[in-house]
Amino acid sequence: SQQGEEDPQALSIQEGENATMNCSYKTSINNLQWYRQNSGRGLVHLILIRSNEREKHSGRLRVTLDTSKKSSSLLITASRAADTASYFCASVPRKTSYDKVIFGPGTSLSVIP
Amino acid sequence: DTEVTQTPKHLVMGMTNKKSLKCEQHMGHRAMYWYKQKAKKPPELMFVYSYEKLSINESVPSRFSPECPNSSLLNLHLHALQPEDSALYLCASSQDSSGAEDQPQHFGDGTRLSIL
Repeated sequence: SQQGEEDPQALSIQEGENATMNCSYKTSINNLQWYRQNSGRGLVHLILIRSNEREKHSGRLRVTLDTSKKSSSLLITASRAADTASYFCASVPRKTSYDKVIFGPGTSLSVIP
Repeated sequence: DTEVTQTPKHLVMGMTNKKSLKCEQHMGHRAMYWYKQKAKKPPELMFVYSYEKLSINESVPSRFSPECPNSSLLNLHLHALQPEDSALYLCASSQDSSGAEDQPQHFGDGTRLSIL
């Protein structure tokens, strides 16, 4: 079952611009994670935000979480061509095993040099 | 390079064949996962092993049979697969599933499976 939706499905920007991706989910969560997947590769964990946190930073990444709206956003600042990838939000629904991560449909980001 | 190693990277098999996918991690993680990913779609959870015991089976058809011989290894045995089973099969691991919330998953690069 799909827990979340992501917006936009595809995003194309120039190098140096900022990229913002949004994620919505349906049920209460323990935490929300963002992953990146380069073409033909596995997923790489980027950042995790707990349900009691509102904002978190890691390098050029900024994640926000609004539990009242059941939504999260991922901001990548000063994008680089190497940021070209698919980005997935993944939520761990409350009242389920912590193992059960449910991925959103993903945003395909293209950064044009 | 990923810390979760999957073999083979590519596999082509007929519908009557029996094959196995292998996954290995040496990070001391005690939870391991199998996901199926179709093109341009998110990964879908298939199985979870916690401390070498099957803890989650997401109603996966019996033609997929997981096995966890020890804490570092995870196999997925395949038999009588259908063309719609063609996909990227991803293995992942995390520290454990004993209730700690901050448990990112570490993924291998997957096995791309094609069923003829």
